[in-house]
Amino acid sequence: GQQVMQIPQYQHVQEGEDFTTYCNSSTTLSNIQWYKQRPGGHPVFLIQLVKSGEVKKQKRLTFQFGEAKKNSSLHITATQTTDVGTYFCAGKNSGGSNYKLTFGKGTLLTVNP
Amino acid sequence: GAGVSQSPSNKVTEKGKDVELRCDPISGHTALYWYRQSLGQGLEFLIYFQGNSAPDKSGLPSDRFSAERTGGSVSTLTIQRTQQEDSAVYLCASSPSGGALTQYFGPGTRLLVL
Repeated sequence: GQQVMQIPQYQHVQEGEDFTTYCNSSTTLSNIQWYKQRPGGHPVFLIQLVKSGEVKKQKRLTFQFGEAKKNSSLHITATQTTDVGTYFCAGKNSGGSNYKLTFGKGTLLTVNP
Repeated sequence: GAGVSQSPSNKVTEKGKDVELRCDPISGHTALYWYRQSLGQGLEFLIYFQGNSAPDKSGLPSDRFSAERTGGSVSTLTIQRTQQEDSAVYLCASSPSGGALTQYFGPGTRLLVL
């Protein structure tokens, strides 16, 4: 079945440093979503990417969808303590179920002030 | 309500007991999902509802797990004869339709089986 892998599993940075998490799917995706889960909280939707090679920005966050639609990345510029949390990617399989998202295991980001 | 709500927020039970977890999705959302999240782990898909029917139950770990949805709204996840390995956070999410659009998550139910 479809697998979605994320690396790294953990990342600790000093405030102000950049951060990147990578997501790789075993199958071609029709779209990919990113969610953020604060410690003790629940996942909150950040963004969805649909087009091959798509790049979207939200303030200090930059999201990319690979040309082959099998990988994605989230880059945070100049991290702040408010960025702490686990970032999950979730992919919808191209040609597969129309409803099912497969989540990666997430990357836990901690930021040292 | 404004968002997805779940109850109880925390549940402690003894091994072998049955538990029921409730999810109230956002009004009008036809799609409802249950996930399980163990400590420090990702989201494990359990079941998907479109309206009252569950076209995909493939993620239910065993026959001790069951779920239903009534009136196209409230859903209940039941775990019978709980085991310690069932301890986890059970998250419910809803979306406007089943097209893997944005999923809106509830706060979860933290289940601890002693």
